[in-house]
Amino acid sequence: GQQVQQSPASLVLQEGENAELQCNFSTSLNSMQWFYQRPGGSLVSLFYNPSGTKQSGRLTSTTVIKERRSSLHISSSQTTDSGTYLCAMDATSSGQKLVFGQGTILKVYL
Amino acid sequence: DPKIIQKPKYLVAVTGSEKILICEQYLGHNAMYWYRQSAKKPLEFMFSYSYQKLMDNQTASSRFQPQSSKKNHLDLQITALKPDDSATYFCASSPMGLGGHEQYFGPGTRLTVL
Repeated sequence: GQQVQQSPASLVLQEGENAELQCNFSTSLNSMQWFYQRPGGSLVSLFYNPSGTKQSGRLTSTTVIKERRSSLHISSSQTTDSGTYLCAMDATSSGQKLVFGQGTILKVYL
Repeated sequence: DPKIIQKPKYLVAVTGSEKILICEQYLGHNAMYWYRQSAKKPLEFMFSYSYQKLMDNQTASSRFQPQSSKKNHLDLQITALKPDDSATYFCASSPMGLGGHEQYFGPGTRLTVL
């Protein structure tokens, strides 16, 4: 079965609204990352967050290892936030293989 | 300056031909990876290399062969190309050591097989 479940699959927001993206893992994990995939396809690492909470500007990532989940919160969304958000887990002890979710497609309009 | 270079950005090939995808990283990392993103599928892990040695191979087909001529290079040779090989191929790198490390991705090579 799929090891990484992302929700929602898609999300439409008006600019200024907040977004909460979820990632659930079916196995124990050693680390996880959140990525933003630009419409052109390139990947930007947003957070490397094995556990706890990390914040960068309007983005906050929270990973709860024992509950096998991670979330990405986007506050005061902007049109430039539109794109695909991917989470990926690594279940290996040596940090060598990321398993990706299907992604959340975010559309922010004015 | 880009820290991970992938060449070419776009590639069109005919069925049965052979192509090499180039990846160079200038982050000083010791581990390098290849991932593939096909249409409507999640990004999937293909290979990992550490200090120029193969660590993990999740690609069933021997048509896919990584080649590491230098510590910061990991090319991907694909032989006998098929239309199903059409995808964007991403190279990534990370520091190596015990425990997990953040992986950094290149811009990708979009391969189309006709």
